[in-house]
Amino acid sequence: LAKTTQPISMDSYEGQEVNITCSHNNIATNDYITWYQQFPSQGPRFIIQGYKTKVTNEVASLFIPADRKSSTLSLPRVSLSDTAVYYCLPYGGATNKLIFGTGTLLAVQP
Amino acid sequence: NAGVTQTPKFRVLKTGQSMTLLCAQDMNHEYMYWYRQDPGMGLRLIHYSVGEGTTAKGEVPDGYNVSRLKKQNFLLGLESAAPSQTSVYFCASSSGLGIYGYTFGSGTRLTVV
Repeated sequence: LAKTTQPISMDSYEGQEVNITCSHNNIATNDYITWYQQFPSQGPRFIIQGYKTKVTNEVASLFIPADRKSSTLSLPRVSLSDTAVYYCLPYGGATNKLIFGTGTLLAVQP
Repeated sequence: NAGVTQTPKFRVLKTGQSMTLLCAQDMNHEYMYWYRQDPGMGLRLIHYSVGEGTTAKGEVPDGYNVSRLKKQNFLLGLESAAPSQTSVYFCASSSGLGIYGYTFGSGTRLTVV
């Protein structure tokens, strides 16, 4: 299983764009890259998933370079309610198991 | 539109007691999972199931048992609770089709004293 490395924590202010980068050097060819968000006392929530290049939805954008050894989650104009832990996980359909790391705690301040 | 429902939400056990956590999903998902989350740590996979009647071990299976007698339910059992099992337990389900995400329950906070 691919091992991921993310910053333990990040600070930001309301209205700023936040980019969280995750490295996954040994990602498998058939792995997707998924990102989850977890608020205190809640289960993780799926945010976005991609395989390569760029994916955008109503919540975030995901940038994946050609070598797929890293990915960057971009949150536009964050608000206080975006304060949460963000997890990057490679997801291989064949194994169908999500293995979580420690994630990145994003703290948004006014 | 319940998604994944976990019961109970909170429980306090004495060391050596047993209990069962129930997870129910109404999305007809094939795959179900039990995770535990300890302070400052990510989620660790305990057991999972790829279909009715099947179970498999995850990263930290010791001290737990599971059963999947019905497709919509996944039970996690603690036969003899220990303080080290104090944690928040999350259940999740997925369609297992690869490109779709998981749906998590809201968690069960278990304290073993």
